[in-house]
Amino acid sequence: AQSVTQLDSQVPVFEEAPVELRCNYSSSVSVYLFWYVQYPNQGLQLLLKYLSGSTLVESINGFEAEFNKSQTSFHLRKPSVHISDTAEYFCAVTGGTSYGKLTFGQGTILTVHP
Amino acid sequence: GAVVSQHPSRVICKSGTSVKIECRSLDFQATTMFWYRQFPKKSLMLMATSNEGSKATYEQGVEKDKFLINHASLTLSTLTVTSAHPEDSSFYICSASTGTGLNNEQFFGPGTRLTVL
Repeated sequence: AQSVTQLDSQVPVFEEAPVELRCNYSSSVSVYLFWYVQYPNQGLQLLLKYLSGSTLVESINGFEAEFNKSQTSFHLRKPSVHISDTAEYFCAVTGGTSYGKLTFGQGTILTVHP
Repeated sequence: GAVVSQHPSRVICKSGTSVKIECRSLDFQATTMFWYRQFPKKSLMLMATSNEGSKATYEQGVEKDKFLINHASLTLSTLTVTSAHPEDSSFYICSASTGTGLNNEQFFGPGTRLTVL
């Protein structure tokens, strides 16, 4: 079985500041990792994913996440946030016998202040 | 991108009644649909996986007779909460996919808020 922990339930930052949203996972098998974003009144949208290959993955809107197997982490970072990045972010994992099923973290609400 | 809708967006019902929630893939055929439940300040919990034309596969601890899932077409799945009680109040989210492989992205609906009085 897998589990995902997002250590921060809320992260407030000022516009143009850097941000890191933390995600740690637990699994006894190889995993595949995802970050989803949920804007108000919308469904979850895939932000980026790690399946294999380079451990650093990027999204089209400037976010990046690095898969760190030794630390069992997949933290999400952005060097300079915008007001429009305000949303809830979910880290998720799948793998092993749970292949195809997503196990989610509790979510982190990112609030970007002007 | 692929769009998934849910109806209704929120529903309030009396205890003991049944409520049906619809999940539709608007611009693609979804062979697989997933139903999740989200409690306040908690993560999404997978309830069941349904493949078109087959019986749903429920996660451990989810009562299949209480949460009836039907996936009769490639664009529609329904979740019926039977004999609802206040503890069933929650946010229900569906997702739709063209399969269960890693390259079959899940597209999520906006969710349905159920309140049982």
